[in-house]
Amino acid sequence: ETGVTQTPRHLVMGMTNKKSLKCEQHLGHNAMYWYKQSAKKPLELMFVYNFKEQTENNSVPSRFSPECPNSSHLFLHLHTLQPEDSALYLCASSQGDLYYEQYFGPGTRLTVT
Amino acid sequence: KNEVEQSPQNLTAQEGEFITINCSYSVGISALHWLQQHPGGGIVSLFMLSSGKKKHGRLIATINIQEKHSSLHITASHPRDSAVYICAVRSDDVETSGSRLTFGEGTQLTVNP
Repeated sequence: ETGVTQTPRHLVMGMTNKKSLKCEQHLGHNAMYWYKQSAKKPLELMFVYNFKEQTENNSVPSRFSPECPNSSHLFLHLHTLQPEDSALYLCASSQGDLYYEQYFGPGTRLTVT
Repeated sequence: KNEVEQSPQNLTAQEGEFITINCSYSVGISALHWLQQHPGGGIVSLFMLSSGKKKHGRLIATINIQEKHSSLHITASHPRDSAVYICAVRSDDVETSGSRLTFGEGTQLTVNP
């Protein structure tokens, strides 16, 4: 148990659906992250929020829309996804920016049909 | 060529063996992370280092900044050490004046009893 929770753990959605992934951290951290891990590929950092402000967006398609209402919660809104978006989506948090140690959630396994 | 290269990609060992996993990188970095990912996806941060050596239990991480190389050692390996070990480097992004985190592809370690 790392103090970072993600829901749902598994999600199957069609290409026309709209769904959201949720992440919550109970560590009092100020920064939160979304990562994508596709099969046989390195982890890819998608978004970084520091003190609720988005500080990084690594050329992620607009069909992925992050939201950070406060330092403890992070959402990833999904719409009109493609089958190649099927992956493990991991949330992490840290005390500060990328220099600090990150604590990861268990991930959401997303399958787009 | 990836900016972060890990070797070997796969490693099988017998319980009790001393294990070394290597990470080489081609950019100037401010920090290097070693992560452990168990089957099912959960990721645990093992070490974050910018120089020298760190030790935690049976795990030792070293870094040589001049040679752009880091190693993760596991002493007296055990089947529960079986996991994917991931190296990640934090570097400054000149274009954005920010920083970025680049991940290696991971090393799959299997320790047999």
